[in-house]
Amino acid sequence: SQQGEEDPQALSIQEGENATMNCSYKTSINNLQWYRQNSGRGLVHLILIRSNEREKHSGRLRVTLDTSKKSSSLLITASRAADTASYFCATVTSYDKVIFGPGTSLSVIP
Amino acid sequence: EPEVTQTPSHQVTQMGQEVILRCVPISNHLYFYWYRQILGQKVEFLVSFYNNEISEKSEIFDDQFSVERPDGSNFTLKIRSTKLEDSAMYFCASSVTGYGYTFGSGTRLTVV
Repeated sequence: SQQGEEDPQALSIQEGENATMNCSYKTSINNLQWYRQNSGRGLVHLILIRSNEREKHSGRLRVTLDTSKKSSSLLITASRAADTASYFCATVTSYDKVIFGPGTSLSVIP
Repeated sequence: EPEVTQTPSHQVTQMGQEVILRCVPISNHLYFYWYRQILGQKVEFLVSFYNNEISEKSEIFDDQFSVERPDGSNFTLKIRSTKLEDSAMYFCASSVTGYGYTFGSGTRLTVV
């Protein structure tokens, strides 16, 4: 069963606008992580939020976690063309593995 | 900042050939993982490795796959007889605790 599902699948915005991506999951988690992947490249870890945290910031990134709704959101403020990438949420339920969602493809138009 | 290093970055192999993908995890990490991503698809879990043995593996990780930590620093993924559908980006990851992960930049495997 799919643990993480991002929404929307694709998002296109103008440079300077904010981008919000959502992630829903099904089972209890230890933590939730967001990753970025530029086309054909590796995974870059952005931020980790633990199940007992509600909000976390890192630079222009803001992540929220609502464990009662089993959902998380990633907000990128003041987007730049360089933010164009795919963004994945990944849930960790045990030390054995992290499960990735299908991702949101973000295009930031200069 | 410590990195997980994967080599080669791109490997082309003939169908039916054996291939070994190499990874050097971060030195004090204890948990090791392989993931793959078929082009345009999501990242899929293959296997986790802890205390010198496989701790969990997915349905994808069949008898054609094996992992090894031969010398305390390298972590390898072997595919015995490659198929066209094994073409993908393979990511290695390591973790101190099993909860926060560092991924390598991946090896793109092309089976022809």
